Amino acid sequence: QSVLTQPPSASGTPGQRVTISCSGSSSNIGSNYVYWYQQLPGTAPKLLIYRNNQRPSGVPDRFSGSKSGTSASLAISGLRSEDEADYYCAAWDDSLTWVFGGGTKLTVL
Amino acid sequence: QVQLVQSGAEVKKPGASVKVSCKASGYTFTSYAMHWVRQAPGQRLEWMGWINAGNGNTKYSQKFQGRVTITRDTSASTAYMELSSLRSEDTAVYYCARGLRVTMVRGVTHYYYYYMDVWGKGTTVTVSS
Repeated sequence: QSVLTQPPSASGTPGQRVTISCSGSSSNIGSNYVYWYQQLPGTAPKLLIYRNNQRPSGVPDRFSGSKSGTSASLAISGLRSEDEADYYCAAWDDSLTWVFGGGTKLTVL
Repeated sequence: QVQLVQSGAEVKKPGASVKVSCKASGYTFTSYAMHWVRQAPGQRLEWMGWINAGNGNTKYSQKFQGRVTITRDTSASTAYMELSSLRSEDTAVYYCARGLRVTMVRGVTHYYYYYMDVWGKGTTVTVSS
């Protein structure tokens, strides 16, 4: 089964800009939208970015998404302590299933 | 506001079945789909399937085909996920998530899927003898 690949960890200091990458294939990221979810410790995932770069109402514009070919990125600018969480990318795969990345644990130093 | 309230934690023995419920409020239940996604300890999120809450049509992950059944009760605005033949590897937090439709066009082919926006808080299912 296809999966998406993310770095297991990322870190930054308050105010910095960090990016999290997500690598897939032609059957998922290469042909469908990418979605990003934030999971704070002990809570359910929350939709952060949909359709590659769209933010749901209420998500700060510090969060932005992009996609190129079979890879995508989530950027967080003006890093805050409350951004410390796990971040997951996801995409629909042409094999008729959703695939997720392994998650990136973001630490705010 | 949109809310998905899931049933409480379950402890099951290997070989048993579990049925988890997800009650929706704050939106028109039948206008959306409902996904079920699980997360085993320390593992990535894993999609199990969805149900179109309007017409009851389902799509399941091949991994769970034959073991999972997703249903809904429109009068109660509630979706259910039943997983059978439980084994220890099924120990996980099970989430429901509302599904919004995306229509894609590729050449002359149209297809659609649902993405997950609002999630329930999760139901812990422990499988242990």
